[in-house]
Amino acid sequence: QKEVEQNSGPLSVPEGAIASLNCTYSDRGSQSFFWYRQYSGKSPELIMFIYSNGDKEDGRFTAQLNKASQYVSLLIRDSQPSDSATYLCAVGGANSKLTFGKGITLSVRP
Amino acid sequence: SAVISQKPSRDICQRGTSLTIQCQVDSQVTMMFWYRQQPGQSLTLIATANQGSEATYESGFVIDKFPISRPNLTFSTLTVSNMSPEDSSIYLCSVVISGANVLTFGAGSRLTVL
Repeated sequence: QKEVEQNSGPLSVPEGAIASLNCTYSDRGSQSFFWYRQYSGKSPELIMFIYSNGDKEDGRFTAQLNKASQYVSLLIRDSQPSDSATYLCAVGGANSKLTFGKGITLSVRP
Repeated sequence: SAVISQKPSRDICQRGTSLTIQCQVDSQVTMMFWYRQQPGQSLTLIATANQGSEATYESGFVIDKFPISRPNLTFSTLTVSNMSPEDSSIYLCSVVISGANVLTFGAGSRLTVL
């Protein structure tokens, strides 16, 4: 059974700090890795995806992937109160089906 | 990006009844999926909606309980049959757009079963 594990949280950081969100996965055959953000009462929205080992940056967000360690992370620089949400790690195989972690709730304190 | 319309957005249902959720996409898609998100939980894949053929269900989900139709590339329905309070959840239609490899979600349908 494919598993995706995230830190239980919640995570609280002050405004302007770096938030670090971590995720591990069990299936070594996984090929695609995603971070979704979900505001309360809303559906998940895609923030980042990464397919290759290393870092991928998009604005204040950086996704990091280490396939050897089966580890993927999301860094949020200069955290803003509007970043307060639940962040879901998702891992995919060859058929576009995703397995989601339980999510971690981030709170950015003004 | 695609616009995914789901309806109803929310409903309150009585135990033992059935409800059909519709999902309409404004673009042709390669894959359509139905997910469930129970209160305070993450997303669980129910099934892959296959165009013109029977859906492919994940472990723990069966066609009799969650019949799915997908008559064309842009439309699908999920029925939640013989509902019980345990079926109270958000049901999400999601798609992979042709030419892309990312999953996009509809706004979801929030069901409450009394």
